[in-house]
Amino acid sequence: LAKTTQPISMDSYEGQEVNITCSHNNIATNDYITWYQQFPSQGPRFIIQGYKTKVTNEVASLFIPADRKSSTLSLPRVSLSDTAVYYCLVLNSGYSTLTFGKGTMLLVSP
Amino acid sequence: NAGVTQTPKFQVLKTGQSMTLQCAQDMNHNSMYWYRQDPGMGLRLIYYSASEGTTDKGEVPNGYNVSRLNKREFSLRLESAAPSQTSVYFCASSRQGQNTEAFFGQGTRLTVV
Repeated sequence: LAKTTQPISMDSYEGQEVNITCSHNNIATNDYITWYQQFPSQGPRFIIQGYKTKVTNEVASLFIPADRKSSTLSLPRVSLSDTAVYYCLVLNSGYSTLTFGKGTMLLVSP
Repeated sequence: NAGVTQTPKFQVLKTGQSMTLQCAQDMNHNSMYWYRQDPGMGLRLIYYSASEGTTDKGEVPNGYNVSRLNKREFSLRLESAAPSQTSVYFCASSRQGQNTEAFFGQGTRLTVV
């Protein structure tokens, strides 16, 4: 299973764009990059998943370079309600479990 | 849409007591999971069930047992609770395989005194 490395914490202000980068140097051919978000006192929720290039949905964008050894979750114009822990996972359909690291604690201030 | 429902939401146990945490999903998912989360930590997998009728140990299975009662329900049992099991417990489900979206319950906050 590919190991991921992401910053422990990040600070931002309302209205700014936030980019959280995740390193996954030993990603395998069949691995997908997936991000989850966890608000305090809640379970994680799926945000976005990608294999290569760029994926965008109503919540975020995910940028994946050609070598796929890293990925960047981009949150446009964050608000206070985006304060949460963001987890980067590298997942493979051949495995059955989800392994979470400590994630990145994003604090958005007024 | 109920999604993943966990009961109870809160529980206080005395050391040595037993209890079962219940989890049910209404999305016809094959895979179900139990995690624990301690303050400032990520989620750690206790047990999982890749499909109905199968269960496997995760990262921290000691002190726990599970039952996949049917496709909908996956329960977690603490036979003899210890203070080290004080944690927030999350149940999750997904269609099958790692890269399918997992849905989490709201959690059970368990305190063992």
